[in-house]
Amino acid sequence: DTGVSQDPRHKITKRGQNVTFRCDPISEHNRLYWYRQTLGQGPEFLTYFQNEAQLEKSRLLSDRFSAERPKGSFSTLEIQRTEQGDSAMYLCAVNYGGLSYNEQFFGPGTRLTVL
Amino acid sequence: RKEVEQDPGPFNVPEGATVAFNCTYSNSASQSFFWYRQDCRKEPKLLMSVYSSGNEDGRFTAQLNRASQYISLLIRDSKLSDSATYLCVVNLAYGNKLVFGAGTILRVKS
Repeated sequence: DTGVSQDPRHKITKRGQNVTFRCDPISEHNRLYWYRQTLGQGPEFLTYFQNEAQLEKSRLLSDRFSAERPKGSFSTLEIQRTEQGDSAMYLCAVNYGGLSYNEQFFGPGTRLTVL
Repeated sequence: RKEVEQDPGPFNVPEGATVAFNCTYSNSASQSFFWYRQDCRKEPKLLMSVYSSGNEDGRFTAQLNRASQYISLLIRDSKLSDSATYLCVVNLAYGNKLVFGAGTILRVKS
């Protein structure tokens, strides 16, 4: 158990709707990451936070995507006006600091299907 | 050119076989290297970090060749439970984003 939960685990929505996903680490972690994975591909980086600060955003993160980490603990990822191409697994990851500072541990993911 | 390239497989091997996966990365500034394992429709799980001197964890051995920008994973005495996708991963700086290969599928059969 990586100590990271994600909610919901599955989401089916119609094109054009807005969706929001949540990532909850079991304890406060310095850095929190979002990735997206489509079938047959490895995860692709979207964005990451150090505490509340969003330090980097991928160009995959169009203006329809927004992420927040308001108190430096849990994080949300919102997609506005969803498109079929947004269908993917959205993964949250954290690192624990210390000797394993560089290693990232993933939550179970939210699988999004846009109809 | 993809940043991290892997043979997609699938590798179909019998139980007890030894199997090797290779991976190349394009950015010579890459700092850290990992192998993750991913079961079908599950999240990636860290299998092992890869160090310059090479490292071993039970039946698993990882090697890194910085000069050739090449990473390998060797699995000895394959088990049915080793069936999964193996993801080669690099990052450019400590604590920074991970860059994943597309993964290599392993199927171990009895």
